[in-house]
Amino acid sequence: ETGVTQTPRHLVMGMTNKKSLKCEQHLGHNAMYWYKQSAKKPLELMFVYSLEERVENNSVPSRFSPECPNSSHLFLHLHTLQPEDSALYLCASSQVSVTTNEKLFFGSGTQLSVL
Amino acid sequence: DQQVKQNSPSLSVQEGRISILNCDYTNSMFDYFLWYKKYPAEGPTFLISISSIKDKNEDGRFTVFLNKSAKHLSLHIVPSQPGDSAVYFCAASALGTASKLTFGTGTRLQVTL
Repeated sequence: ETGVTQTPRHLVMGMTNKKSLKCEQHLGHNAMYWYKQSAKKPLELMFVYSLEERVENNSVPSRFSPECPNSSHLFLHLHTLQPEDSALYLCASSQVSVTTNEKLFFGSGTQLSVL
Repeated sequence: DQQVKQNSPSLSVQEGRISILNCDYTNSMFDYFLWYKKYPAEGPTFLISISSIKDKNEDGRFTVFLNKSAKHLSLHIVPSQPGDSAVYFCAASALGTASKLTFGTGTRLQVTL
């Protein structure tokens, strides 16, 4: 496989469930990201793991918990979500560089519905 | 406060004509700008970028223009094709850092026959 792959593509969960989203990048990149896309809103950066350092967006609720076991894999653990968390969750990767402008490579996303 | 704005949520263009998608930004520190294209049920894919040292960058049918004084950039697609129908996101960052990309809300382009 090439690029950035995300599983599952679709997820429906109740507010009391615990689930995890998985992302794997096959590009040899050294940074991985979680983004949230809600209708009619800009893509919202949730978490970044860059050069093994985690950078998080302080506005992300604690019911979202990321895990990055290595530079190729990224998880987003979900628990006790709210209906307003229903959105498209996108994983991305990039190659951190001081010499060239970076760009993100996205996966296809997980469409999450919280009932 | 939205630092990257795409004020047109949608645009309809006839096949073969020019599509012009616009993007405005407020942060004068932004020096690297990108356009992403997104089809339904897929993630955004990189289309074209421009650094602030240039005012134009061209790649085939796609050209991005940057007007730094107006804090405005635009994406031109000539000629437009039905396969170009998608949502286009403008993004900007300072120092070319992907981790600090700020995205617009997107413009849905519909290319009609």
